[in-house]
Amino acid sequence: DAKTTQPPSMDCAEGRAANLPCNHSTISGNEYVYWYRQIHSQGPQYIIHGLKNNETNEMASLIITEDRKSSTLILPHATLRDTAVYYCIVRVARTSGSRLTFGEGTQLTVNP
Amino acid sequence: DAGVIQSPRHEVTEMGQEVTLRCKPISGHDYLFWYRQTMMRGLELLIYFNNNVPIDDSGMPEDRFSAKMPNASFSTLKIQPSEPRDSAVYFCASSLDPSGVGTDTQYFGPGTRLTVL
Repeated sequence: DAKTTQPPSMDCAEGRAANLPCNHSTISGNEYVYWYRQIHSQGPQYIIHGLKNNETNEMASLIITEDRKSSTLILPHATLRDTAVYYCIVRVARTSGSRLTFGEGTQLTVNP
Repeated sequence: DAGVIQSPRHEVTEMGQEVTLRCKPISGHDYLFWYRQTMMRGLELLIYFNNNVPIDDSGMPEDRFSAKMPNASFSTLKIQPSEPRDSAVYFCASSLDPSGVGTDTQYFGPGTRLTVL
């Protein structure tokens, strides 16, 4: 699976949009981009995933560049509860199940 | 659904003792994963099952670790004998992949914090 690069930490003001970047320049055509987050002392939580097109759900939006070498997770109106470590994961879809390989992620701190 | 259930939530034991961690996946999910998280190594996959069968145990650190899934609603991770370096948070996750192409979402439990003295 392709390696990802994320900034170690970011800050965001409450109520503002949080834009978390991820670089995956070696991504292959059959690899998906996944985002998970881990709030302190809890298990990781799925946020969103995509292949080529931009995606949006009730939690966030995922913007993938046309060349697929990078992506941005957008939390449109960050709240204090969004303070967490955010993991960008790139993985191949496999018929026999697949593993998530977690990197170090980005520590997002939402400030009041 | 109650989500993935893990027990115990905290375990403190002494070196050399046997430790058993338990997991109940979300009903209907056909994949079950065991992860370990430490400050030094982050989150790492230990083993995963599909339809109760172990598929990939390459992440299991050594023979002291074993995992079983006797039925679709229960799995155990056992450490015998335990060592201080096994201290970590152990997460169980489950997923359903109806499409069969591996784009499944994994749902994690709250974890078991293990301390081996």
